Amino acid sequence: DAGVIQSPRHEVTEMGQEVTLRCKPISGHNSLFWYRQTMMRGLELLIYFNNNVPIDDSGMPEDRFSAKMPNASFSTLKIQPSEPRDSAVYFCASSAPEIHNEQFFGPGTRLTVL
Amino acid sequence: LAKTTQPISMDSYEGQEVNITCSHNNIATNDYITWYQQFPSQGPRFIIQGYKTKVTNEVASLFIPADRKSSTLSLPRVSLSDTAVYYCLVGYNFNKFYFGSGTKLNVKP
Repeated sequence: DAGVIQSPRHEVTEMGQEVTLRCKPISGHNSLFWYRQTMMRGLELLIYFNNNVPIDDSGMPEDRFSAKMPNASFSTLKIQPSEPRDSAVYFCASSAPEIHNEQFFGPGTRLTVL
Repeated sequence: LAKTTQPISMDSYEGQEVNITCSHNNIATNDYITWYQQFPSQGPRFIIQGYKTKVTNEVASLFIPADRKSSTLSLPRVSLSDTAVYYCLVGYNFNKFYFGSGTKLNVKP
């Protein structure tokens, strides 16, 4: 298994631009999580999906952030418009049914907003 | 979610056994204790999980006393490659993970 796949691995953009991060979970996993990691705030859960349905998005910082999961094998996290304070590493993770405490993380996307 | 407290950092030398203790005074009856490891520029990786007493796998051991208000992750004979941040998490059916700051382990030659 290839593990959780994220793209792009690095993204540099200018303030005000739209950014889309992509994630392919491990096949057979039915829960998907988006995290953000910064030095100041550590690792924060933004949103998680169960069976493609958003269950909890209370960690999404503001309306500029949106996430979708159109099918079991693909999810996106979009930031529009992006701001310099959004610069961080964004991780996607997935877990198998009923085993949420063992999450498998992707390699992350390092986002820099200038 | 039960809050956890663990040391910010620890130093060790190659070949030593490292024990990282995590306090979780408000652990609930159904909560499990789970440890993750994160290397620089990588996502966290599941290490071990337990409910009570002792759990051992090929990577580490987890010791949980009877009152379950703390737990200790034990890494036998660490090497330089064990330098990482270690997170202690407590919960049941972890829909909302709280990673905290973790413990930064620095293994020296």
